[in-house]
Amino acid sequence: AQSVTQLDSQVPVFEEAPVELRCNYSSSVSVYLFWYVQYPNQGLQLLLKYLSGSTLVKGINGFEAEFNKSQTSFHLRKPSVHISDTAEYFCAVSLILQGAQKLVFGQGTRLTINP
Amino acid sequence: EAQVTQNPRYLITVTGKKLTVTCSQNMNHEYMSWYRQDPGLGLRQIYYSMNVEVTDKGDVPEGYKVSRKEKRNFPLILESPSPNQTSLYFCASSHTGLVRDTEAFFGQGTRLTVV
Repeated sequence: AQSVTQLDSQVPVFEEAPVELRCNYSSSVSVYLFWYVQYPNQGLQLLLKYLSGSTLVKGINGFEAEFNKSQTSFHLRKPSVHISDTAEYFCAVSLILQGAQKLVFGQGTRLTINP
Repeated sequence: EAQVTQNPRYLITVTGKKLTVTCSQNMNHEYMSWYRQDPGLGLRQIYYSMNVEVTDKGDVPEGYKVSRKEKRNFPLILESPSPNQTSLYFCASSHTGLVRDTEAFFGQGTRLTVV
C-alpha cells in the first residue's frame, strides 16, 4: 500500500534561516508527488508537484523540492524563510485507485517562523 | 474568481442532530472530494464524486453521506453526528479524477464540533 511519512510534526526556525521539511513515500509504482501548503484558517493550496523529468522542482514563494528515487524522498526546501511562510505543509502522493485519482497525504508539518 | 466555497465555516452541534455542510465550485470541475483533517493523521478522504450522480466511498466513509445532483455542488451530510466526527472538513475539486497529475483546489474548511 502506498503511504507518505512526514518525519517532523513541527519545525521551528528563525526568520531568514534555511529550512527543509522531510517527506518519504512508499510506492510500488511510479509516483506523482505533491506539496500543499495550508496557511492559518485557509484551505490547502498547491506549492509544487513532481510528475516526471527533472528531479528538482521549483514551486511558488521560493520553495523547491527534490525527488530522490533511491531514498524514496521528496523533501521541501527554502533557502531563506519569512514570517509569512508560517503554515502547515502537507506532502502527498497521487494514485489511481479503482479508476479514480486518490491523494494520500502525510501527517503534515507545522512550520513556525520566529523573528 | 475560481474558488471552492464551503458553508458554514464553523459549526457546533449536538449528538444526533442531522446537519449538512455545503460545497460549491465555480470551475466546472468534474471531480470533487470530501476530506477530514485530524491532528497527526493528515487529510483522509471521506467520499468522492467523479461526476454528476457518481459517488463512491473514500477511506473513512462511516457516518457520512453525500450527493451530487449538480456538477457544482457536493454536500456532505451527517445524519446522526457523534463526537468522534469532531474535525476540520475540507471539500476539494479538480478538473478530472481520471489522471494522477491533476491539481486539487480546496475550500477554506469547516470546523465541526459535536458535543
